[in-house]
Amino acid sequence: GIQVEQSPPDLILQEGANSTLRCNFSDSVNNLQWFHQNPWGQLINLFYIPSGTKQNGRLSATTVATERYSLLYISSSQTTDSGVYFCAVERRAGANSKLTFGKGITLSVRP
Amino acid sequence: GAGVSQSPSNKVTEKGKDVELRCDPISGHTALYWYRQRLGQGLEFLIYFQGNSAPDKSGLPSDRFSAERTGESVSTLTIQRTQQEDSAVYLCASSLARSRGLADYNEQFFGPGTRLTVL
Repeated sequence: GIQVEQSPPDLILQEGANSTLRCNFSDSVNNLQWFHQNPWGQLINLFYIPSGTKQNGRLSATTVATERYSLLYISSSQTTDSGVYFCAVERRAGANSKLTFGKGITLSVRP
Repeated sequence: GAGVSQSPSNKVTEKGKDVELRCDPISGHTALYWYRQRLGQGLEFLIYFQGNSAPDKSGLPSDRFSAERTGESVSTLTIQRTQQEDSAVYLCASSLARSRGLADYNEQFFGPGTRLTVL
């Protein structure tokens, strides 16, 4: 099946710093989502971005589908950005429809 | 409702007992998914329902796991004869059916999960 690799596995930032989180995937996809899992375990949708670039406040994401990677940018980080960031992809595969998740990136933002 | 809801939020059971987990998808979402998240891990796909089509059960880890969905509403995930390795958070997601028109939109939205602990 499709492989999803996220890097770095862990990231520690000082409040106000910027960061880039990377997601590589091993095959063509028709769906890519970024999630933030908060300390209570809730998965929060950040971006639905199978291709192109999107921005939402301090967050932005870019997916280059032809090169099989996606980047999540966090600018001016805040302590509330702490948590685990997951990239998940859905492969073009007929009627099959499931998200394959990476192992996540644990972000800690220190005041 | 406004989002995907799941119940119970927590479930503690003894090894060998059966458990039933419930998911209410977002109203109007025809696709429903179950995933499992073990401690410190990413999510693993379990099962997918789409309308009246046969469900995709390819992710179910053993025949102790089963799920049902009535129409386009509530789904229940049942684990029989629970084992300690079944301890995990079980998450449900729903999405609009993929459009076969201009868009291939299939964004999934997740519920808060049920934390299952098997003693």
